Amino acid sequence: DTEVTQTPKHLVMGMTNKKSLKCEQHMGHRAMYWYKQKAKKPPELMFVYSYEKLSINESVPSRFSPECPNSSLLNLHLHALQPEDSALYLCASSSLAGDSYEQYFGPGTRLTVT
Amino acid sequence: RKEVEQDPGPFNVPEGATVAFNCTYSNSASQSFFWYRQDCRKEPKLLMSVYSSGNEDGRFTAQLNRASQYISLLIRDSKLSDSATYLCVVSKGGSQGNLIFGKGTKLSVKP
Repeated sequence: DTEVTQTPKHLVMGMTNKKSLKCEQHMGHRAMYWYKQKAKKPPELMFVYSYEKLSINESVPSRFSPECPNSSLLNLHLHALQPEDSALYLCASSSLAGDSYEQYFGPGTRLTVT
Repeated sequence: RKEVEQDPGPFNVPEGATVAFNCTYSNSASQSFFWYRQDCRKEPKLLMSVYSSGNEDGRFTAQLNRASQYISLLIRDSKLSDSATYLCVVSKGGSQGNLIFGKGTKLSVKP
């Protein structure tokens, strides 16, 4: 019963398309994250937003463009993707209080680039 | 040395068995440590944070040894529903939000 929601659940897009992935959390968390997970691999961090500001970009290609409109929402804009970008895209959120930033994941968007 | 290393698995155990997972990490500056479980084609779910004093949640016990840079997870009286991939997760140095995931160890609990 995740409190992090993601839409759409599945997305098929061509290499010339522009699409967006959306994430929303209702836990009052002030940090939000995008991860990419390929089959049989662990999640890999892409971006971190803290207090709605981009704090970490793990050298992600510019065809992925994150946006944080407010503390509850996180978007990932996709443009001119490649077939190798097909993966499960996971959003997570965490509090920034205390010593341990436990991250809670949404169900993910399964992306196929054709 | 890889940033986070786990037993390769898979672990196939009967119901009721006790199973232990081990994990080592390379960065002594890491501050936060977690175990997540991930079911096939689902998102990772936080199982527990791991503290130096050790912590227990029902059948699950996690231990952290900072000197050895070693983390463990013990599952007692395993259930069929424990079948999943268990991911050891460590923060990247001093950046607590930047998590590094181990490759995971697959557990199958059989009747």
